[in-house]
Amino acid sequence: AQSVAQPEDQVNVAEGNPLTVKCTYSVSGNPYLFWYVQYPNRGLQFLLKYITGDNLVKGSYGFEAEFNKSQTSFHLKKPSALVSDSALYFCAVRGAGSYQLTFGKGTKLSVIP
Amino acid sequence: EAQVTQNPRYLITVTGKKLTVTCSQNMNHEYMSWYRQDPGLGLRQIYYSMNVEVTDKGDVPEGYKVSRKEKRNFPLILESPSPNQTSLYFCASSSPTQVGSYEQYFGPGTRLTVT
Repeated sequence: AQSVAQPEDQVNVAEGNPLTVKCTYSVSGNPYLFWYVQYPNRGLQFLLKYITGDNLVKGSYGFEAEFNKSQTSFHLKKPSALVSDSALYFCAVRGAGSYQLTFGKGTKLSVIP
Repeated sequence: EAQVTQNPRYLITVTGKKLTVTCSQNMNHEYMSWYRQDPGLGLRQIYYSMNVEVTDKGDVPEGYKVSRKEKRNFPLILESPSPNQTSLYFCASSSPTQVGSYEQYFGPGTRLTVT
C-alpha cells in the first residue's frame, strides 16, 4: 500500500522568508510525486511533479521541491514567501505500477505580512 | 479550454433522496476518479475508472456508485444519501500512461450537504 505523511497541519512564515512544507511517502518501487495547492473555495491546482531525473524540480509560482530517495521525502520549498501563497497544500504519491494517487492530509500555509 | 466540469457545484438534500453528481472532461483522458475531502482527512478516493466500462473501488466506496459508459463522463451516484456523506467532492482525470503527463486534473468541486 502507498501512503503519504505531511507532518505539519499548519506552517506559518513571514512574508519574504523562505518556506518549506514537508512530505514523506511510502510506496513500492519508484515513486511519482506531486504537489497540489488549494485556495479557499477552489479546486486543486497542480504545482509540480517528480517522475524521474533531476532531484530538484521546479514548478508554478516559483515553487520547487526536492526528491530525496534515501529519506523518502519530497519537501516543497520557495525562497521568498508571498502573502498570496497562503493556501492548503497537498502532497501525493503514485507507485510506478499503480494508477491510483494517494494524498496526504494537507498542510495549511499562512504567510504573515 | 481543457477542463473537468462538475455539476451541481452546491447541493443540499435530505436523507434517502437519490442524487447524481455529474463529471465530464474534454481531454480524452482514460483515467477518472472521485474523491471526497473532509477536514483533517485530506482527499480520500471513492471510486476510479481506468477506461470505459472499467471501474473499481477506492478507499471509501461505501454508499456510492459510479458508471463509465462514455470516456468523457463519470457520474457519482448516491442512491440513499446519509448525513455522513456531507462533504466536498472532487472529480479528477488523467492520462496515466502518457509520457510526460501523469498529473491529475481536478474539477471545481461539489459541496454536498445531507440533512
